[in-house]
Amino acid sequence: GQNIDQPTEMTATEGAIVQINCTYQTSGFNGLFWYQQHAGEAPTFLSYNVLDGLEEKGRFSSFLSRSKGYSYLLLKELQMKDSASYLCASMDSNYQLIWGAGTKLIIKP
Amino acid sequence: IAGITQAPTSQILAAGRRMTLRCTQDMRHNAMYWYRQDLGLGLRLIHYSNTAGTTGKGEVPDGYSVSRANTDDFPLTLASAVPSQTSVYFCASSPAVENTGELFFGEGSRLTVL
Repeated sequence: GQNIDQPTEMTATEGAIVQINCTYQTSGFNGLFWYQQHAGEAPTFLSYNVLDGLEEKGRFSSFLSRSKGYSYLLLKELQMKDSASYLCASMDSNYQLIWGAGTKLIIKP
Repeated sequence: IAGITQAPTSQILAAGRRMTLRCTQDMRHNAMYWYRQDLGLGLRLIHYSNTAGTTGKGEVPDGYSVSRANTDDFPLTLASAVPSQTSVYFCASSPAVENTGELFFGEGSRLTVL
């Protein structure tokens, strides 16, 4: 079956670094996406990885290991506005996205 | 209009009633999607459309129907609403179904079925 696992909730301190992990199991693979979703709002795109390695984009980085079915999102210099849910999604062989339930990130001052 | 517009943003509906959620995009994207989002679950695909004139079933299509008469509009209809259809519904679009870039979402429609 197809499955995406990520932690339900994480807490971090303003200014710190946090890593949100995601493991995936899908029928075929066409890439791994991360989206941010603030409470009551629509998801917004953060990153896409299809090759192994780290993609850096400002304070956010995303890593992929295809052989391990594993990805993580790294957030540096945390700000209060980073409090949100972070959604991991794997694209299967039919180009359909399989979504995790999301990780709620709570930032404390 | 800029991006994707959904209507209504919120609705309370009696069980058994018919309801259509509207979705319009102005980006000329070929692919459009309807998802539902429930607490503790990931986004689940209801129906999708690869291009105008075609539709397909997603993971949870029962009780829902869609149409794609043109590129811009992709309405979702609940023929006879049931309480289990209480959810937040998101419409989304992408340039093509094989898109490996950004999926653009509407602001969501919060539906409560009593």
